[in-house]
Amino acid sequence: GAVVSQHPSWVICKSGTSVKIECRSLDFQATTMFWYRQFPKQSLMLMATSNEGSKATYEQGVEKDKFLINHASLTLSTLTVTSAHPEDSSFYICSARDMAAYNSPLHFGNGTRLTVT
Amino acid sequence: GQQLNQSPQSMFIQEGEDVSMNCTSSSIFNTWLWYKQDPGEGPVLLIALYKAGELTSNGRLTAQFGITRKDSFLNISASIPSDVGIYFCAGQLTNFGNEKLTFGTGTRLTIIP
Repeated sequence: GAVVSQHPSWVICKSGTSVKIECRSLDFQATTMFWYRQFPKQSLMLMATSNEGSKATYEQGVEKDKFLINHASLTLSTLTVTSAHPEDSSFYICSARDMAAYNSPLHFGNGTRLTVT
Repeated sequence: GQQLNQSPQSMFIQEGEDVSMNCTSSSIFNTWLWYKQDPGEGPVLLIALYKAGELTSNGRLTAQFGITRKDSFLNISASIPSDVGIYFCAGQLTNFGNEKLTFGTGTRLTIIP
């Protein structure tokens, strides 16, 4: 089945630094990937839609200059949290759909736990 | 962002019991999905529903796409310890293409020994 891989699975960084999270579709291609954020005991909230070869689309309230998204190929999207602060600590999850498969549902990565100290 | 109302919020059951949870929305969706999330991991797809009224099974799991397209339910029969986790419903406006998902608030399932 479709596999989405995220790296790293967890990261601890100091306040003010930047962190890059990678999302890869391992056995399929995806023109679009989605980035979600999940706070403890809460649901997944969509942050942005990553589009291969073009700019990402951000949800209302999500700062595009803080959460930089790059979708340089059909199998890789990256999310960079710039100038991280403790309130950015969260579980970040990406998802993607196989563009070649009709009606294929979204598959999710295993998430990245970000802790900003 | 928009969220779907999911109930119950949590369930405490004994092994072997059946489980039922549902998801409601104020707006119509054309696709309903059910995911399970274990601690520290991403959601895993359980069942996908693409047609109003559709009833689909996956082993001990059964889900239905409400006829009004504003709700869906998930049943788990004869629960086992590995069923423990958080279950999320998700709605999507289209059946194809790269449409974003709206997630439910989640149902946390705990099995009492």
